[in-house]
Amino acid sequence: NAGVMQNPRHLVRRRGQEARLRCSPMKGHSHVYWYRQLPEEGLKFMVYLQKENIIDESGMPKERFSAEFPKEGPSILRIQQVVRGDSAAYFCASSTRGGDTGELFFGEGSRLTVL
Amino acid sequence: GENVGLHLPTLSVQEGDNSIINCAYSNSASDYFIWYKQESGKGPQFIIDIRSNMDKRQGQRVTVLLNKTVKHLSLQIAATQPGDSAVYFCADRIDAGGTSYGKLTFGQGTILTVHP
Repeated sequence: NAGVMQNPRHLVRRRGQEARLRCSPMKGHSHVYWYRQLPEEGLKFMVYLQKENIIDESGMPKERFSAEFPKEGPSILRIQQVVRGDSAAYFCASSTRGGDTGELFFGEGSRLTVL
Repeated sequence: GENVGLHLPTLSVQEGDNSIINCAYSNSASDYFIWYKQESGKGPQFIIDIRSNMDKRQGQRVTVLLNKTVKHLSLQIAATQPGDSAVYFCADRIDAGGTSYGKLTFGQGTILTVHP
């Protein structure tokens, strides 16, 4: 059973370009979370999605960031007009259900570097 | 506000010793706590969890202790091995009125180094 798959693992963008990060949850998981990790810091919650629905985006920056989890295909975290401060590791996690525990299974992360 | 932090940023131990990693949290509404292990270049890996209605939970070589009175959480690793070297994060979740889900607040992390 494959785990949470994220790609690309590493992405380099120049300031002003767009970054698209993809996440395929574990088989049977319909709940997806995105977290951001700055160097030498803990992970920070960004957004929680179910299929075709954004449940909680309280951790998402108001501008330039968006996320989706379509009926078919992976979840996408999109960052428009990237700036150097967006350089970080972005982790996706999935679970079988949203309420009451259920372990979160994290992917290996996508490391974005903005030049 | 939400805050989960660690007392010690680094911990060095000898192989075979027991390790104790500490964590403090500030929100009394937190109802669920998790310890994660993160190796270099990888995602967090679940170690053990505990609910707020418990004060101790044991796993294989690991024990988590929860002291709600002082809002303190600890992870004990028995007979620490070189493969345990990693960054350890505590995380908590706040009960959102029955709609809790995987929105976790992570601490900064403790670097555990195990010397052979």
